Amino acid sequence: AQSVTQLDSQVPVFEEAPVELRCNYSSSVSVYLFWYVQYPNQGLQLLLKYLSGSTLVKGINGFEAEFNKSQTSFHLRKPSVHISDTAEYFCAVTRSGGYNKLIFGAGTRLAVHP
Amino acid sequence: DVKVTQSSRYLVKRTGEKVFLECVQDMDHENMFWYRQDPGLGLRLIYFSYDVKMKEKGDIPEGYSVSREKKERFSLILESASTNQTSMYLCASTQGGTPSTDTQYFGPGTRLTVL
Repeated sequence: AQSVTQLDSQVPVFEEAPVELRCNYSSSVSVYLFWYVQYPNQGLQLLLKYLSGSTLVKGINGFEAEFNKSQTSFHLRKPSVHISDTAEYFCAVTRSGGYNKLIFGAGTRLAVHP
Repeated sequence: DVKVTQSSRYLVKRTGEKVFLECVQDMDHENMFWYRQDPGLGLRLIYFSYDVKMKEKGDIPEGYSVSREKKERFSLILESASTNQTSMYLCASTQGGTPSTDTQYFGPGTRLTVL
């Protein structure tokens, strides 16, 4: 079975600073990896996903993530955050191929301060 | 743009009541999902449906049932609401084809409080 660990429940950061949100997964088979974002009072929306190919994945709003198979990690980064990036971020994993459900991490709350 | 709507943003019910949460998507998606979201636990899958009248249990189906009579509508039913079902409920849909790679499109959520 797959599992996801988001290592930080909350990350405070100042505006224009870089940020990294950490995600580790556990799986004995090949996986697909996702980052979703939930802005206040909204549903989740996809930031980016890794299916195959280049291990550096670029997403919306200037975010990127790097798939590291040896360290079973999929950390999310942004070089300079804005107040509007304040949200909850969820890492998710699923087995590759066929129909498999998405397993979500507990979430990381990013708080960007002026 | 895909739009997933949920019938209520906030709902307050009493213990023992039967509760219906409705979800509608407007993009002819094959698959629909119900999750509950709790602080520190992330999202947990309750039920999903990959076709009309078809349903599959997720990780936490106990105390819930679902109905999908039309492709665009997926209902979550709490037969007898209990206080431990107080939570945020999120509906999602995916186009179909290769479900594992598909983007899930989420509704805004229904915050249910059971007193």
